[in-house]
Amino acid sequence: AQTVTQSQPEMSVQEAETVTLSCTYDTSENNYYLFWYKQPPSRQMILVIRQEAYKQQNATENRFSVNFQKAAKSFSLKISDSQLGDTAMYFCAFEGPSNYQLIWGAGTKLIIKP
Amino acid sequence: SQTIHQWPATLVQPVGSPLSLECTVEGTSNPNLYWYRQAAGRGLQLLFYSVGIGQISSEVPQNLSASRPQDRQFILSSKKLLLSDSGFYLCAWSSVINYGYTFGSGTRLTVV
Repeated sequence: AQTVTQSQPEMSVQEAETVTLSCTYDTSENNYYLFWYKQPPSRQMILVIRQEAYKQQNATENRFSVNFQKAAKSFSLKISDSQLGDTAMYFCAFEGPSNYQLIWGAGTKLIIKP
Repeated sequence: SQTIHQWPATLVQPVGSPLSLECTVEGTSNPNLYWYRQAAGRGLQLLFYSVGIGQISSEVPQNLSASRPQDRQFILSSKKLLLSDSGFYLCAWSSVINYGYTFGSGTRLTVV
């Protein structure tokens, strides 16, 4: 069975700093998809970025980028030039090639301090 | 563009009362639909998912049920609420496998 682990329950950084959130996963699949979701205090769940396992290039969305290490089964999220609005829970999620369900990590609470 | 509507935003219900939460999707057809529950400060727990009208898969045996009477409508119900049903309920949809989910704004349910 697939599992997703986020080992950092909480992190805090100063505004404008760069922060990296860790995520590791376990699977025997070769093709799969990985996601980072953001849940701000409003609790709306927002897709931040996604990565297809068959793509070697790391996904990037503006200030958000990932470091995808397939062999190590690692999928970290880097937030550059952090802003107060980045304060949120961040969830890492995995989806296999032929199922309809996301496997979720426990989440990392990120606090951006002014 | 596709949108997802979920209501109500907040709900306070007495123990033993019924529940009906509704979720609708616009701008797409035959979406996969999901109901999640999230306890305060915790991760997401998948309750039900549906890949088509009348097709419901339950992930966690409990006091809740789900129905999909129309292609883009997903309803979460209970005949008699328990205190343990309190939580934050999220509806989500996906149109193509492996492209991630889009979530509704959630319902905060408090059972008193």
